[in-house]
Amino acid sequence: RKEVEQDPGPFNVPEGATVAFNCTYSNSASQSFFWYRQDCRKEPKLLMSVYSSGNEDGRFTAQLNRASQYISLLIRDSKLSDSATYLCVVKAGANNLFFGTGTRLTVIP
Amino acid sequence: DVKVTQSSRYLVKRTGEKVFLECVQDMDHENMFWYRQDPGLGLRLIYFSYDVKMKEKGDIPEGYSVSREKKERFSLILESASTNQTSMYLCASSWQGGSYEQYFGPGTRLTVT
Repeated sequence: RKEVEQDPGPFNVPEGATVAFNCTYSNSASQSFFWYRQDCRKEPKLLMSVYSSGNEDGRFTAQLNRASQYISLLIRDSKLSDSATYLCVVKAGANNLFFGTGTRLTVIP
Repeated sequence: DVKVTQSSRYLVKRTGEKVFLECVQDMDHENMFWYRQDPGLGLRLIYFSYDVKMKEKGDIPEGYSVSREKKERFSLILESASTNQTSMYLCASSWQGGSYEQYFGPGTRLTVT
């Protein structure tokens, strides 16, 4: 079983739409959770950390459900510039991050 | 701004060649990582290092070795390149401990023919 599983998509949404991605993780001892963004042919970059209480950064909201072992990312009022692949990332152990395969989002004009 | 650089963006090598991929970071990070990224498989950790001369195997170390002689530099070595090592190779670095961000280099697209 994979450490982190995501729906690969693609998600094609119109500008202004709200879109949500979920991700599940297998290790109940996982300690930290993140969403990374990867643009086409570019390196991944941290989008936001995911805290137990949930957190919001502008149009982006991340939630963690430890009991069900899933993480979500909600994007409101989608912009064309949000088109990218979103990687769910889980930290388990001292230094290792486990990456999901990513969910591809395309925002359509 | 944190900067992680990789020696090449594109590399073409023949089967059996020895290949060196170099990574340099300028933020005095303790941790450095090598991943490969393949469609449908995501990023998979090959090796990481948490200090000079220290290395730990990741999930897929077979066919690879690493070297970290200086804090800022982490090298990935393919002793005898094979076609199944054709991939995008990404280097990353981070501070040690706690919840932290990994900073990635731009990647090296390696093709083994």
